[in-house]
Amino acid sequence: DAGITQSPRHKVTETGTPVTLRCHQTENHRYMYWYRQDPGHGLRLIHYSYGVKDTDKGEVSDGYSVSRSKTEDFLLTLESATSSQTSVYFCAISEAAGGNGGTDTQYFGPGTRLTVL
Amino acid sequence: SQQGEEDPQALSIQEGENATMNCSYKTSINNLQWYRQNSGRGLVHLILIRSNEREKHSGRLRVTLDTSKKSSSLLITASRAADTASYFCAFDYIPTFGRGTSLIVHP
Repeated sequence: DAGITQSPRHKVTETGTPVTLRCHQTENHRYMYWYRQDPGHGLRLIHYSYGVKDTDKGEVSDGYSVSRSKTEDFLLTLESATSSQTSVYFCAISEAAGGNGGTDTQYFGPGTRLTVL
Repeated sequence: SQQGEEDPQALSIQEGENATMNCSYKTSINNLQWYRQNSGRGLVHLILIRSNEREKHSGRLRVTLDTSKKSSSLLITASRAADTASYFCAFDYIPTFGRGTSLIVHP
């Protein structure tokens, strides 16, 4: 299994509080991603990173920010959590993305279950 | 990036039967991948097929790709109860995922 960990694995918080989720990899992969998964919606991309300090928005980025100061860590922050952000959050990594170079294969972490009351 | 549409949304079969699920997409791709997700777990990569390939096998998995129809199919032969999971397709650059096909294999 690819070396990806997420912390915390479970969190319950209250509306309006800041929350930071951490994704840590030991594979030295360039790309890192944050997804959320909700019933009826599949996985939706929040933000992704294509290198240290290089990030871009996904399809559901409102209310979320990210940071990547080291290759191995990708942080997802909810500045002021809302009940609509209750979800399961998955981190993924890949060696390459796009084109004919690299495998594009993604490896996923175990997920973080976040409940916002 | 584009999102695939998996079909059917749900599939229920008996152990030993074959399971076929499909994925359709809208714009040209470089490669297509299939992933499996067991309940409550992260996605696991199953197989990648490139746009210049028409068919690929991996164990009991067979994937076909028809770029003219912009569709792919995943066949699982001789299904087992352990194959019960959701299956997703995704495409090259910055993968996004549809709602998947939920497969239940009854022992």
